[in-house]
Amino acid sequence: EADIYQTPRYLVIGTGKKITLECSQTMGHDKMYWYQQDPGMELHLIHYSYGVNSTEKGDLSSESTVSRIRTEHFPLTLESARPSHTSQYLCASSGRTDTQYFGPGTRLTVL
Amino acid sequence: GDSVTQMEGPVTLSEEAFLTINCTYTATGYPSLFWYVQYPGEGLQLLLKATKADDKGSNKGFEATYRKETTSFHLEKGSVQVSDSAVYFCALILYNFNKFYFGSGTKLNVKP
Repeated sequence: EADIYQTPRYLVIGTGKKITLECSQTMGHDKMYWYQQDPGMELHLIHYSYGVNSTEKGDLSSESTVSRIRTEHFPLTLESARPSHTSQYLCASSGRTDTQYFGPGTRLTVL
Repeated sequence: GDSVTQMEGPVTLSEEAFLTINCTYTATGYPSLFWYVQYPGEGLQLLLKATKADDKGSNKGFEATYRKETTSFHLEKGSVQVSDSAVYFCALILYNFNKFYFGSGTKLNVKP
């Protein structure tokens, strides 16, 4: 059973607010990922990290930023939320095996 | 480039019907192949995987066989249940384990 957590599960905020989506894992995994999932279900990689102090942008351009100060923690921040940021955000991690483990997701709505 | 293509949904079946969801891939190396399932309001869960040609992954009555000759990894279940209603994602990862490629997802609706 994978131990990867995301908070909040649901968030409704107004335009212009700064938000941070939290992701934590207790498996000691080096690699962590953020995906954005659109209403059509497709997953888009927006950020990834291979370890502490390592972050890279993914395939889909995103106005969000990430940090990796601790192995277990990979927060995603939006400095000024807009309605176009409304989406489901999924965090995942992987260790030495080839399997990615996913958190439950955060559903963000920006009004 | 590397990619995964899976059949479009939604797929609607009656309970106890046979399920097939097609998945084909393109990869420059020798990938590991996965099926993930996403239930409403949740994240993705690993359903099954296969790491080399001719391997069969299985779990909860679902099966998929890694076919290198046809570059396919079709998901099958002999008798679906209402509780199998979900979105199913085919995925691959190459040997360096750094990047996943996901298909676009197939929604399955099972009616009683």
